[in-house]
Amino acid sequence: EPEVTQTPSHQVTQMGQEVILRCVPISNHLYFYWYRQILGQKVEFLVSFYNNEISEKSEIFDDQFSVERPDGSNFTLKIRSTKLEDSAMYFCASSPRGGTGNREQYFGPGTRLTVT
Amino acid sequence: TQLLEQSPQFLSIQEGENLTVYCNSSSVFSSLQWYRQEPGEGPVLLVTVVTGGEVKKLKRLTFQFGDARKDSSLHITAAQTGDTGLYLCAGRVIQGAQKLVFGQGTRLTINP
Repeated sequence: EPEVTQTPSHQVTQMGQEVILRCVPISNHLYFYWYRQILGQKVEFLVSFYNNEISEKSEIFDDQFSVERPDGSNFTLKIRSTKLEDSAMYFCASSPRGGTGNREQYFGPGTRLTVT
Repeated sequence: TQLLEQSPQFLSIQEGENLTVYCNSSSVFSSLQWYRQEPGEGPVLLVTVVTGGEVKKLKRLTFQFGDARKDSSLHITAAQTGDTGLYLCAGRVIQGAQKLVFGQGTRLTINP
């Protein structure tokens, strides 16, 4: 069964450094998302991406964050200058072409980002 | 801010018992999804409910969407140790919106 993959599984970085988290969504999906989950807290929406542009973003997704689909398969999340509070699990998700409009979201295994 | 509150937060029962977990909000949701999450892994989609009053079954799991589309429940019959995990509900508030709002989860432990 097709699945969303993410790399790396764990990223350790120093405060102020840039990180790029990578995702390969399910191949025929058109909608892509990033969420994060700080340890012990709820999963939080960051951003959605469709047709090569951001379609929705949360207040968490400030100027330090950006997303890109550099080719036909990868979807990346960049954090320009990491802060300690960016430490979290980051999940990529994707949705198929939506006939019902409900667009079920399928999640990857996550990247654990640790900022020191 | 749309909130989804799940209850109970923790539930520990014996194998073979039945249980129900709840997901409640003051907001109306256009659709609601239930996920299961294992430690260190991503949420795995179990089911999506869309219509008020809808009931869906997945083997021993029964999911219901409230008539007003503000709440949902997950009922497990004859729980097994393999059902142990974190169960999350997540809803889409506005039809066509991208964002899923997640509950905090119910951590379920089934004891042998």
